[in-house]
Amino acid sequence: DTGVSQNPRHKITKRGQNVTFRCDPISEHNRLYWYRQTLGQGPEFLTYFQNEAQLEKSRLLSDRFSAERPKGSFSTLEIQRTEQGDSAMYLCASSFPLGRAETQYFGPGTRLLVL
Amino acid sequence: AQSVTQLGSHVSVSEGALVLLRCNYSSSVPPYLFWYVQYPNQGLQLLLKYTSAATLVKGINGFEAEFKKSETSFHLTKPSAHMSDAAEYFCVAAINQGGKLIFGQGTELSVKP
Repeated sequence: DTGVSQNPRHKITKRGQNVTFRCDPISEHNRLYWYRQTLGQGPEFLTYFQNEAQLEKSRLLSDRFSAERPKGSFSTLEIQRTEQGDSAMYLCASSFPLGRAETQYFGPGTRLLVL
Repeated sequence: AQSVTQLGSHVSVSEGALVLLRCNYSSSVPPYLFWYVQYPNQGLQLLLKYTSAATLVKGINGFEAEFKKSETSFHLTKPSAHMSDAAEYFCVAAINQGGKLIFGQGTELSVKP
């Protein structure tokens, strides 16, 4: 399978703990995106990388959130001092610039539950 | 600011009936538009996308959507619903070729036998 993969698929943590999620994009894709989806809502953009450069961050991304993409390959999203409001599905997507309206391919997501 | 509005959070149709899922966008410039589908316990999958090449866009599984600039709409249709079409559908917009996607709140489609 050469799609976008995310690990772990599920994470349960206690409030105040730190968590880290990993995303492995489709191998030739140089753009990588993180989104957050809460119950009953559409995904919301968090941040975006082109190769290793983080080009845009949403205001949703508080200072407790940090994302990296070392060497322009996989990416990690870390949440420090988790809060119950962080409970959501965290989605990763990747794309390659092929012209008009490039398609973002999504991974299965990491579901986070903060107790 | 760009936004996407999907009319109706739940739509229920009978098997074989027409499917119509409504989407309106607000943007100062014509955006790129997409429909994604999310089946239960699966990731988001692209159904179709509008790239300004043609206003009527055909996608997978018999779905199509028509871009109407005058109405700022991009409604999704399928002539005959199948049980396997039951899923959550998202209308999505992007201003740039690359960069963030703006999702509508989603419409859950139920198909009755």
